[in-house]
Amino acid sequence: DQQVKQNSPSLSVQEGRISILNCDYTNSMFDYFLWYKKYPAEGPTFLISISSIKDKNEDGRFTVFLNKSAKHLSLHIVPSQPGDSAVYFCAASLSGTYKYIFGTGTRLKVLA
Amino acid sequence: GAGVSQSPSNKVTEKGKDVELRCDPISGHTALYWYRQSLGQGLEFLIYFQGNSAPDKSGLPSDRFSAERTGGSVSTLTIQRTQQEDSAVYLCASSKTPTGELFFGEGSRLTVL
Repeated sequence: DQQVKQNSPSLSVQEGRISILNCDYTNSMFDYFLWYKKYPAEGPTFLISISSIKDKNEDGRFTVFLNKSAKHLSLHIVPSQPGDSAVYFCAASLSGTYKYIFGTGTRLKVLA
Repeated sequence: GAGVSQSPSNKVTEKGKDVELRCDPISGHTALYWYRQSLGQGLEFLIYFQGNSAPDKSGLPSDRFSAERTGGSVSTLTIQRTQQEDSAVYLCASSKTPTGELFFGEGSRLTVL
């Protein structure tokens, strides 16, 4: 049973446009969410996080939105750059615990 | 180095052989995780170590898998009698605190023929 789902395995976006990556979760107890980015042959690196007490968190070109009622979060990248091309994983956990549940990832390709 | 170090980066083995994968976490990080990523799958939690506490082994897929962490630092993941379905990238991560950001290594790609 996949508790964290990324239903789009891939996404292509033109450079300069907005990239929107989506993530759904089933466990309403999750209250801490993260996005990781992974380049080929490298480990995932932390990108941005959000606690369930917020509905938006912004860091430069990256914004994460959380819709608790829909159990949905999204990562917006604007403007998208070719260097953003990578696999993006969302992860969820219960705050105060250590077990992060990851989604299957979305491969983003930003076209120059 | 300052990051999480894993070895070997690539391992090809024959079905039935045992393999050991090593992880050297960031110095001072008390929490250490093993995840694996099979083809087309997300990151699957395997095991978690925190300080001197008993590890959380709830993600280990079978009793052929075991892991230890010596001296609160280096960890070894051992897979006995490897099967083809064990083929995956095995990722180690560490964090400063149990609920902190995870820092991942580059992974060990295991191929079982």
